[in-house]
Amino acid sequence: KQEVTQIPAALSVPEGENLVLNCSFTDSAIYNLQWFRQDPGKGLTSLLLIQSSQREQTSGRLNASLDKSSGRSTLYIAASQPGDSATYLCAVPGGGNKLTFGTGTQLKVEL
Amino acid sequence: EAGVAQSPRYKIIEKRQSVAFWCNPISGHATLYWYQQILGQGPKLLIQFQNNGVVDDSQLPKDRFSAERLKGVDSTLKIQPAKLEDSAVYLCASTLMAGNTDTQYFGPGTRLTVL
Repeated sequence: KQEVTQIPAALSVPEGENLVLNCSFTDSAIYNLQWFRQDPGKGLTSLLLIQSSQREQTSGRLNASLDKSSGRSTLYIAASQPGDSATYLCAVPGGGNKLTFGTGTQLKVEL
Repeated sequence: EAGVAQSPRYKIIEKRQSVAFWCNPISGHATLYWYQQILGQGPKLLIQFQNNGVVDDSQLPKDRFSAERLKGVDSTLKIQPAKLEDSAVYLCASTLMAGNTDTQYFGPGTRLTVL
């Protein structure tokens, strides 16, 4: 059974700082890994999807990496802004694209 | 393109009462998922539909939860009777097909509080 873990559970940084969020998974036989953002009271927004054959995926100030062999992914956020404050979730699909999620990292970027 | 719609957004009920949630997926999306997200945890899959058929309901507590997707479009999730531990956000997601590379699009969720 796939298990997904995220550390840290919460993170508070000053504006402008670069930061790294971590995600680990127990079963390395994955098709892809997806990072989501969740704002309070709202649903999930997909940020990046890394295919199993890829090592990195970039979108603006976000960069996600994937190391299948070690069961790890990182989400790098450059030059953080207060608008980046949210909960970040990683997820991996099982059969039928059923997602297994981590518990999330709650990020607060302070002025 | 309209996103996944869910209603109501919030619901407060007493334990042992019944409640129903509604989801309208993105037009043309064949696959629909219901997830339960308890505070402080990641979402957990309850049920998956492909068109109007159930693909996986192994994680659905069938003694109190039921779901249907008549006509393969809208879906409803019902809890009867509700328990305190059912307090959570219920998220609906849809995707074009069920391929493992297809992005899932999530609705805003329904926040249920059971008193």
